[in-house]
Amino acid sequence: KQEVTQIPAALSVPEGENLVLNCSFTDSAIYNLQWFRQDPGKGLTSLLLIQSSQREQTSGRLNASLDKSSGRSTLYIAASQPGDSATYLCARGNAGNMLTFGGGTRLMVKP
Amino acid sequence: GAGVSQSPSNKVTEKGKDVELRCDPISGHTALYWYRQSLGQGLEFLIYFQGNSAPDKSGLPSDRFSAERTGGSVSTLTIQRTQQEDSAVYLCASSSRLAGGREETQYFGPGTRLLVL
Repeated sequence: KQEVTQIPAALSVPEGENLVLNCSFTDSAIYNLQWFRQDPGKGLTSLLLIQSSQREQTSGRLNASLDKSSGRSTLYIAASQPGDSATYLCARGNAGNMLTFGGGTRLMVKP
Repeated sequence: GAGVSQSPSNKVTEKGKDVELRCDPISGHTALYWYRQSLGQGLEFLIYFQGNSAPDKSGLPSDRFSAERTGGSVSTLTIQRTQQEDSAVYLCASSSRLAGGREETQYFGPGTRLLVL
């Protein structure tokens, strides 16, 4: 069974801090690894998608890395802001891009 | 442009009733996905449509669940004889396919919150 695990489950940091969210997955034969953000009561917003042939992707203050051999991905958030407070979900995509999600990390950035 | 829309946004029903949930994907997106998000199970895949191909139903939890996609666009997820454990947020997503067969990122709708009493 494909599994995706996210650590930590919850994280609280002061504004301005750099932080790393972790995601691990079984089965290195993934097609892509995606990071999403979910705000309370809302749907998911895509942040970054890393194809299996890539090692990382960057968008603004966000950087995501992928290490297939170790089954790990990290999401790095630089200079965190209160507006970054949300639940962050990682998901591995298979051949049809059907996603298997981790349990998420609830992030709180305090002003 | 318009994103993925879902209706209704909220649905309360009685145990044993049938419900239909609707998803309007982004125009031109060939792939459509249904997911379910519940407290106990997290976010889980239900069913996948790609163009005119037969759907991948491997995530459907029971034969009470079915889905169709008409004309390669709008999709309806039907739950028959609803049970309390069906209570969850049902999310729809769509995506297009990049050159070389790779999938683009999925764009999610706001979801339908289903409560079965």
